[in-house]
Amino acid sequence: EPEVTQTPSHQVTQMGQEVILRCVPISNHLYFYWYRQILGQKVEFLVSFYNNEISEKSEIFDDQFSVERPDGSNFTLKIRSTKLEDSAMYFCASTREGMNSPLHFGNGTRLTVT
Amino acid sequence: KNQVEQSPQSLIILEGKNCTLQCNYTVSPFSNLRWYKQDTGRGPVSLTIMTFSENTKSNGRYTATLDADTKQSSLHITASQLSDSASYICVVSATGGSYIPTFGRGTSLIVHP
Repeated sequence: EPEVTQTPSHQVTQMGQEVILRCVPISNHLYFYWYRQILGQKVEFLVSFYNNEISEKSEIFDDQFSVERPDGSNFTLKIRSTKLEDSAMYFCASTREGMNSPLHFGNGTRLTVT
Repeated sequence: KNQVEQSPQSLIILEGKNCTLQCNYTVSPFSNLRWYKQDTGRGPVSLTIMTFSENTKSNGRYTATLDADTKQSSLHITASQLSDSASYICVVSATGGSYIPTFGRGTSLIVHP
């Protein structure tokens, strides 16, 4: 069964550094999402992306965050200047038909900001 | 404000026993409700979807119910196995406006041998 793949599985960075988290969604999916989960807390929506543009974003997704789909297969999340509170699991997800179909999640990137 | 509340927060049961997890929501207007299973260190995986007209849906040993009038759902796990140990997350989507689903905090289930 096709899977959403995320790299790296674990990223350690210093506060103030830029990080790029990478995702390869399922190939015939059209809607892409980033979520995060701080340790012990619930999954939180960051941003949704469709037709090469952001369709919705949460309050968490401020000017420090950006997303790109540079080559038709990869979907990236960039954090420009990381803060300690950005430490979390970041999950990429994709769906074929938006919210009428289930989210297919990757296994996440654990970001640790020191 | 759309909210999803799950109970209990955590649950410990013996292998082979049944259990029921609860989800209450205030998401409106309601579109669908999904239960996801999240193994430790992994992404959530969809178990079932319930739409407005559905009361019960089964997926193997998992049976989900929905009462749209009281805005409650349950997930019943029959004959639990060690591999059922995970977090079970209730996710509710609305129609119109924002299509972003609302996640519950999850119920952490531990199955002991």
